[in-house]
Amino acid sequence: NAGVTQTPKFRILKIGQSMTLQCTQDMNHNYMYWYRQDPGMGLKLIYYSVGAGITDKGEVPNGYNVSRSTTEDFPLRLELAAPSQTSVYFCAIKPGGAEGGYTFGSGTRLTVV
Amino acid sequence: KNQVEQSPQSLIILEGKNCTLQCNYTVSPFSNLRWYKQDTGRGPVSLTIMTFSENTKSNGRYTATLDADTKQSSLHITASQLSDSASYICVVSEKDYKLSFGAGTTVTVRA
Repeated sequence: NAGVTQTPKFRILKIGQSMTLQCTQDMNHNYMYWYRQDPGMGLKLIYYSVGAGITDKGEVPNGYNVSRSTTEDFPLRLELAAPSQTSVYFCAIKPGGAEGGYTFGSGTRLTVV
Repeated sequence: KNQVEQSPQSLIILEGKNCTLQCNYTVSPFSNLRWYKQDTGRGPVSLTIMTFSENTKSNGRYTATLDADTKQSSLHITASQLSDSASYICVVSEKDYKLSFGAGTTVTVRA
């Protein structure tokens, strides 16, 4: 039971390149989230999903896209990478219910140069 | 705008000593408040979760308090260990999916 698996762990992109950050869970949780963490700042919500086939924008969605074709996978797509997207990205999952615990992946450190 | 503010930004303590971290929030309506520990290069891991009706919650050497009237929470670390060196993040939930994260307090425990 790995919980939440994120790949890759590190990546360097050139401006304008595209890439997909992968997030896979094996806990069968409906709720999945993508956050970014910038130095000295709290985590910011990019996109979230309440179940397969359902996605919605978070606080900072511009420049990103997501899909949720299965319960297990919630990939985050960057189409035209910009230096402002340099950050650490965390995927998180949560069961239903207000008090359900969040489980975070180990993060993807992305640098755009 | 809902905000979560944590203090201090960082602190250094000697092994075996106690410390207290503060969290003030303006999130409303309030559902619950969580404290997370984030080791360097890792994702946050949950320490405690409290609803508005709970005043205190313990998890081993970690004790969280909540005053929903003043919208303040604290995390007390007792008898600190080197492994307590991490960032501690206060997270306030407005709704089931809507979290507001503090910037965290970086704790360094020295031998």
